Formats: sequence, structure tokens, C-alpha cells
Amino acid sequence: AQSVTQLGSHVSVSEGALVLLRCNYSSSVPPYLFWYVQYPNQGLQLLLKYTTGATLVKGINGFEAEFKKSETSFHLTKPSAHMSDAAEYFCAVSDQNEKLTFGTGTRLTIIP
Amino acid sequence: DAEITQSPRHKITETGRQVTLACHQTWNHNNMFWYRQDLGHGLRLIHYSYGVHDTNKGEVSDGYSVSRSNTEDLPLTLESAASSQTSVYFCASSESIRGTYEQYFGPGTRLTVT
Repeated sequence: AQSVTQLGSHVSVSEGALVLLRCNYSSSVPPYLFWYVQYPNQGLQLLLKYTTGATLVKGINGFEAEFKKSETSFHLTKPSAHMSDAAEYFCAVSDQNEKLTFGTGTRLTIIP
Repeated sequence: DAEITQSPRHKITETGRQVTLACHQTWNHNNMFWYRQDLGHGLRLIHYSYGVHDTNKGEVSDGYSVSRSNTEDLPLTLESAASSQTSVYFCASSESIRGTYEQYFGPGTRLTVT
């Protein structure tokens, strides 16, 4: 069975500061990993994904994540936070049957 | 443009009533999924389908059912609504191409059971 742990249900950073959202996974098969973002009263939108190949993955809005197999991690980063980054972020892992298992989410607040 | 829509967007119903939430996608995707989102739990999989006439139970399927009669639609039925089913429900779809796995989400349906 696969699982995802997101450390920190709430994270606050100042505008212009580094954003780091943590995600650790457990999977019995090579994982496919995702970060989704949810803005208030909206559905989820894909930020980035890792399936195979390069372990540093770049996504939309300046976000990136690095797959570290030895640490079973897929942390999300952005060098400089913007007010528009305020949202809830979900890490997810997929088995090879296309199903997603989500973490419990991290709400990101940006301090002006 | 292709999209995935859900209706209604908001629904209030009484305990014991049958409720059906609609999901329609124009991506022509084989795979469709229903999730519920609750505070502290993230999104949990209710049911999913890999194609017409195929349905499978997810993590939290008790009290819910789905049917897939065509590619575009996967309605979710609550047979007898309970207060514990008050939640936000999301439908998603994906293409069956190995290496893709991206799911596209609808805008959600907020269901309140009183």
C-alpha cells in the first residue's frame, strides 16, 4: 500500500522568501509523484509531476521539486514567494494502476 | 476546450434521501475518479472507473455507488444520505497512456446533509 505524509498542515512565509513544502511517500513500486495546488473554492490543478528521468522537476508558477529515492521525499520549493502563491498544496503518489493517494495537504500563507 | 464539469455545485439534502452528483468530461478520457475532501484527510478515493461498464471501489466506498454507461459521465449516488457524508466531492479524469497519469479535476460539489 502507498501513503503520503506532508509535514506541516500550515506553513507561513514572508513575501519574497523561500517556500519549502515537505512530502514523504511510501510505495512498494517505483512511484509516480505529483504536486497539486488548490485555490479557494476551486478544484485541484497540477503543479508538477515526476514519472521517470530527471529527478529535479520544474512546474508552473516557478515551483520545482526534487525526487530523492534514498530519502523517499519529493519536497516542493519556490525561491521567492508571491502573494498569489497562497493556496493549499497536496502531494500525491500514484501506483501503476493510475490511482492517486493524496497527503492531507499544506495550507500556505504569504505574509506581506 | 475540453473540460470536466460537476453539477450541482452546491446541494443541501436531508438524511435518508438519495442524492446523485453528476460528473461530465469532454477529454474523452478512459479513467474517471470520485474523491471526497475533508479537513485533516486530504482527498480520499470513493470509486473509480477504467472505462465503460467498469467500476471499482476505492478507500471510502461504503454508502456510495457509481455506474459508467458512456465515456463522458460517471454519476455518484449516495443511496441514503448520512450526516457523515457532508463533504466536498471532486470528480477527476485521466488518459490511459503509461507515463502520463495526470488527473484533471472538476470544480467540486459541496454537499451538506442535514
